[in-house]
Formats: sequence, C-alpha cells, structure tokens
Amino acid sequence: EPEVTQTPSHQVTQMGQEVILRCVPISNHLYFYWYRQILGQKVEFLVSFYNNEISEKSEIFDDQFSVERPDGSNFTLKIRSTKLEDSAMYFCASSDRGHGQPQHFGDGTRLSIL
Amino acid sequence: AQSVTQLDSHVSVSEGTPVLLRCNYSSSYSPSLFWYVQHPNKGLQLLLKYTSAATLVKGINGFEAEFKKSETSFHLTKPSAHMSDAAEYFCVVSDLDSGNTPLVFGKGTRLSVIA
Repeated sequence: EPEVTQTPSHQVTQMGQEVILRCVPISNHLYFYWYRQILGQKVEFLVSFYNNEISEKSEIFDDQFSVERPDGSNFTLKIRSTKLEDSAMYFCASSDRGHGQPQHFGDGTRLSIL
Repeated sequence: AQSVTQLDSHVSVSEGTPVLLRCNYSSSYSPSLFWYVQHPNKGLQLLLKYTSAATLVKGINGFEAEFKKSETSFHLTKPSAHMSDAAEYFCVVSDLDSGNTPLVFGKGTRLSVIA
C-alpha cells in the first residue's frame, strides 16, 4: 500500500536556527497538509496546499513558517527561526480529494529545539 | 466551526472484552467523521470513515462506529479487545460541504488492554 514518508524521523536543532522537514506524499495525491502535535496536546492543523499554493492556514502558521513543493514528489515545511515552543511532532498528510475526505499520514518528524 | 470531544482520556479493558471509545462532535455543515489510531512512535492510521452514506461504518481490525445525528455522536466499538489494540485513538471531524479541508482532532483516548 502506498505510504507518505517523512524525513528525518528526529531532528534536533538549536533555537534560532532554520529547519526543513521533508515529506514525500502518495504519488497520485493532489492535496497536501502539515499538522503538528505538541507533547500531550491535540494534533493541530498548520497548512493545506493544493495546485502549488497554500489553500488554507491556521493561526499557528505565521511568517516563520513556509511550505514548498520544489519538485513533483517532495513537500517541505520550513521553520525560519526556531523557538523552544516549536518542539513537537510534525505530521505530513496527503489526500486524493479535498472536501472532508480522509487524509493519509506519515510517521512524523519529532522536532526538538534546544 | 467544527469541534470534537472525546469523553475519556484513558480507557482500560481486559483482553477479550468489548471496547467503547466515546466521541461527540459539533459541525455547522454535513460532517465527515473519522477515527484514526496512533501506535507508539508511529503515524496516524485511518481506522474508518463516515461520509454521509451508511450510518454504521465498519473499519479495519474489527472496529466499527455508528453515526447518530440526533446525539451528535460517533462512538467507536469493538466486540473483543486484543493486546495489539493498545494505542491512542483520535476522533476527527471535517466539514463535507464547507470547502474547508483541514481535519479537526479530538484530544485522543489512550486504550490500554490488560491480559
């Protein structure tokens, strides 16, 4: 069964540094998402991406965050100047349709900010 | 805006006994509802989905859920728990008609299965 793959599985970064989290969505999917889960809290939506542009973003997704689909397969989340509170598990997801359809998740990247 | 309330943060059952994980939702539109499972150090796996078809939905690993509009509930059940069912379970809502695609997660219910 096709999978969403995320790299790295664990990223440790100094506060203030830039970090890029990488995702390879399922190949025929058109909708891409990033979510995060701070330890002990809910999974929270960050951003959705369709047709090479952001379709929706949450309040969390401020100017320090950006997303990109640099080629036909990768989907990246960049955090420009990391803060301690960015420490979380970041999940990438993809779906073949939007509008309330199920999304397929990767195993996540655990981001630890020191 | 849509929201989800999972009524129990932790449920503990004995192996071979029934499982009930409770979920209530709030949605302004016709909701799509999902249950996802997360095993330790793994991603979120879709268990089952409701998208305005049959109200009783069967999923993987013997789980099922019933959509009850009058009660705004979507409880997850399984007749007989197995040790491998121990995990975190998330009830999730998305609005089918509003055009908003993000999933809104409940806080999760940790299921423990005792031998």
